[in-house]
Amino acid sequence: ELKVEQNPLFLSMQEGKNYTIYCNYSTTSDRLYWYRQDPGKSLESLFVLLSNGAVKQEGRLMASLDTKARLSTLHITAAVHDLSATYFCAVDVFTARQLTFGSGTQLTVLP
Amino acid sequence: DGGITQSPKYLFRKEGQNVTLSCEQNLNHDAMYWYRQDPGQGLRLIYYSQIVNDFQKGDIAEGYSVSREKKESFPLTVTSAQKNPTAFYLCASTIGGETNQPQHFGDGTRLSIL
Repeated sequence: ELKVEQNPLFLSMQEGKNYTIYCNYSTTSDRLYWYRQDPGKSLESLFVLLSNGAVKQEGRLMASLDTKARLSTLHITAAVHDLSATYFCAVDVFTARQLTFGSGTQLTVLP
Repeated sequence: DGGITQSPKYLFRKEGQNVTLSCEQNLNHDAMYWYRQDPGQGLRLIYYSQIVNDFQKGDIAEGYSVSREKKESFPLTVTSAQKNPTAFYLCASTIGGETNQPQHFGDGTRLSIL
C-alpha cells in the first residue's frame, strides 16, 4: 500500500523567512503533484514533477523531486501572508491515474 | 470558461436517507474522480471513472455508489450504509490515459448529518 507522508503538518513562520515542506512516499513513482488549498475551498494545482531531479519554480515557491530518495520538497522563500494555506503533495503510481495524497501541511505566515 | 461544477455547496442528510452529489464538467475530460476530505486530513479516493459506463472503486467505496452515463457527469450517491458521511466531498477530472496533466477540482460539497 502506498503511503505518502508530509512534514511538518503545521507550520507557522514569520514573513520574510524561508522554510521547506517535505513529502516522502513509500513506492517508486515518477509523477508527483503539489496542490494548494485555501480554507473551505477547492484544490489548486501548483506543480507537476515528472522525473528525477525535476525542479519547478513559481514566485516564492520551488518544488523538487528526488525519485531515488522518494522525496519531494516544497521550498518557500521570503514568505508573505498570501502564502498562508494548506499544501498537499500527491503521488501517482498506477496508470489508472489514482492519486494518493499526503495529510497536508497547514502553513500560517505571520506578520 | 471550462470547469467543474459541483452542487449543492452544502447538503444535509437525515438518518437512513440517500443523498446524491452532482458533478458536471465541460472540459471534455475522460477521467473523473470523487474524493472525501475529513478535517485536517488529506483526500481519500472514493470512486473513479476512466470512460463512460465504467467506474472503479477507490480506497473507501463502501457506503457510496456512482454512475457514469454521460462523459460530462459523474454523480455520487451517499447511501444510508455510510455511517459517517459528514465530510467535504471533492470531484476532479483529467484528460485520462497516460497524460501527466494534474487533476482539476471542483469547489466541493460539504455534507452534514441532521
